[in-house]
Parts: sequence; C-alpha cells; structure tokens
Amino acid sequence: AQSVTQLGSHVSVSEGALVLLRCNYSSSVPPYLFWYVQYPNQGLQLLLKYTSAATLVKGINGFEAEFKKSETSFHLTKPSAHMSDAAEYFCAVRRGTGGGADGLTFGKGTHLIIQP
Amino acid sequence: EPEVTQTPSHQVTQMGQEVILRCVPISNHLYFYWYRQILGQKVEFLVSFYNNEISEKSEIFDDQFSVERPDGSNFTLKIRSTKLEDSAMYFCASTAEGSKGYTFGSGTRLTVV
Repeated sequence: AQSVTQLGSHVSVSEGALVLLRCNYSSSVPPYLFWYVQYPNQGLQLLLKYTSAATLVKGINGFEAEFKKSETSFHLTKPSAHMSDAAEYFCAVRRGTGGGADGLTFGKGTHLIIQP
Repeated sequence: EPEVTQTPSHQVTQMGQEVILRCVPISNHLYFYWYRQILGQKVEFLVSFYNNEISEKSEIFDDQFSVERPDGSNFTLKIRSTKLEDSAMYFCASTAEGSKGYTFGSGTRLTVV
C-alpha cells in the first residue's frame, strides 16, 4: 500500500528564511504526490501536485516541490517565508494502483511556525 | 472557481443518534470521497464512490457508516449510531480524475456528546 512519511511534526523558521518541509513516500506503482495546506479551522487547499510530468513542480503562494525517485522524496520548499505561511502542511500520495477512484493517503502533517 | 460545499459546518449530536453529513461536489466531477480528521491528527481516508457504488473503503468505514448519492448533486455520509470517538472534522472531496487533483470542502465538525 502507498504511504507517506513527513519528517518533523513542527518546523519553525524566521520570516524571510527558506522553508523546507520533508516528505518521503512509499509506493508500489509510479506515485502521484500532493501537498495540501490547512489554515486554522479551514479545509484543505491544494498547493501543488506531481503526476509523472516535470519533476520540479511549482505551486501556489511561491511553493515548489521536487520529485526525486532515487530518494523517494517530494520535499516542499519556499525561498522566503511569510507570516501568512503559518499553517499545517500535509503531504499525500494517491492510493491504489492508478484507478480513477483512488483517494489519497495523507502524512501526519507538519505544523509550520514563522518567527517574526 | 468551483467549490465543494459541505453542510452543516458544525453539528452536535447525542451519542447513539444518527447523523447525516451532506456534500455537494463539483458538478462535472465523477469521483467522490469522505475523509475524517480527529482533532490534532492526520486526515484519514474513509471511502471513495464512483458510478453509484463504493470503490474502496478503509478499515474505519465499518457497518455504522454508509454513503449515498440520492440525487444528481448531493453526496451524503451517514453514521447510524454515533460514538464519542466519531467526533472529528469530516471532509468531502471530489475529482474529475485523480491526476487533476482533488478538491476538498471546508468540512463538517461533528461533536458527539
């Protein structure tokens, strides 16, 4: 079964510093990978996705992620953190083997804290 | 931009009561899902639904749970006899096709007392 592991339940960075949130996956088939953001008391918003095209994926709000098959990783980065980036970030992998109805398996999430 | 709409946003129910959580997926989407998130924990897959039947369900989705698409627009999750541990945020999601991404609703916070 497909799974993701997010390293670090909490990450704290200074405003303006690089943001790096780590995600490693396990998949028996070529994975589809996603990053979602959740602001307090809100739903899940898609930041970006990897679906077997370009390995460097650009998303909203200046975030990007690079798919590295050799490292089974899909880390999320942003060059310069803003206070508004403070939120919970979830990495997810598509379940199943590619059927259209496959849902997602989520990691445990990383709480991003931005220090002024 | 099209949205997935969930109602109600918050529901409080007595233990043992039945609850129905409602979702209106994006109109041209074909695949529908329910997830739950217990407070402070990760989002967990419950069930996927396509062509008016369940495609996959997790071990969480036991006989107390059921899903239905009663008409062309609504997608519901029913919990027959709620337990305290059913207290969570429940998210509905839909997609036209998985590679295009999944759109989530804002969730229904269910509190069982």
